[in-house]
Amino acid sequence: DTAVSQTPKYLVTQMGNDKSIKCEQNLGHDTMYWYKQDSKKFLKIMFSYNNKELIINETVPNRFSPKSPDKAHLNLHINSLELGDSAVYFCASSQEQGAGAFFGQGTRLTVV
Amino acid sequence: GIQVEQSPPDLILQEGANSTLRCNFSDSVNNLQWFHQNPWGQLINLFYIPSGTKQNGRLSATTVATERYSLLYISSSQTTDSGVYFCAVASPFSFGNEKLTFGTGTRLTIIP
Repeated sequence: DTAVSQTPKYLVTQMGNDKSIKCEQNLGHDTMYWYKQDSKKFLKIMFSYNNKELIINETVPNRFSPKSPDKAHLNLHINSLELGDSAVYFCASSQEQGAGAFFGQGTRLTVV
Repeated sequence: GIQVEQSPPDLILQEGANSTLRCNFSDSVNNLQWFHQNPWGQLINLFYIPSGTKQNGRLSATTVATERYSLLYISSSQTTDSGVYFCAVASPFSFGNEKLTFGTGTRLTIIP
């Protein structure tokens, strides 16, 4: 049983397209996150949702729109993709008082 | 915001050797995690260790919160230990307990 699962694992798309990445967690956690890992391997938080409500938005372009239909799911939609959006995107989840954050396997996005 | 520094940036060792990775952080934390990013890109939880010492097989970690550092020990290294090791912390003042700030990582290469 995968605790935090993302789909797709790989995504190759052309500039200007719109794409979505899905994330689901079966840990019963209240909080979910999206992180971006750039080409230099640096990981930085993008968004955080707690019980379907946005609580952190780290100066991410508004082409990126997270959506949380329920507390077990946090999807990331990206409009008008740019070359600089190429990166690995990680979903994560955590409890408010707990054992830390758990990460999905990542989605490697390549914009050509 | 909180700063996280990891050292050394790169480490190359012979199989069977021991190693110590260090993580320094600039402010009080209520969460500290160690992750291993394997060559396939997966982020694997190693330890949730905001303070104290934990051991898991050949790996152990110690966090001295009052002195703002953590150490990850790897004994009897194996080639499967290769990858990038990240330290990540969350400030007690960050909304959403696990808004993690990552260090830049230590790239460990184990040579057979």
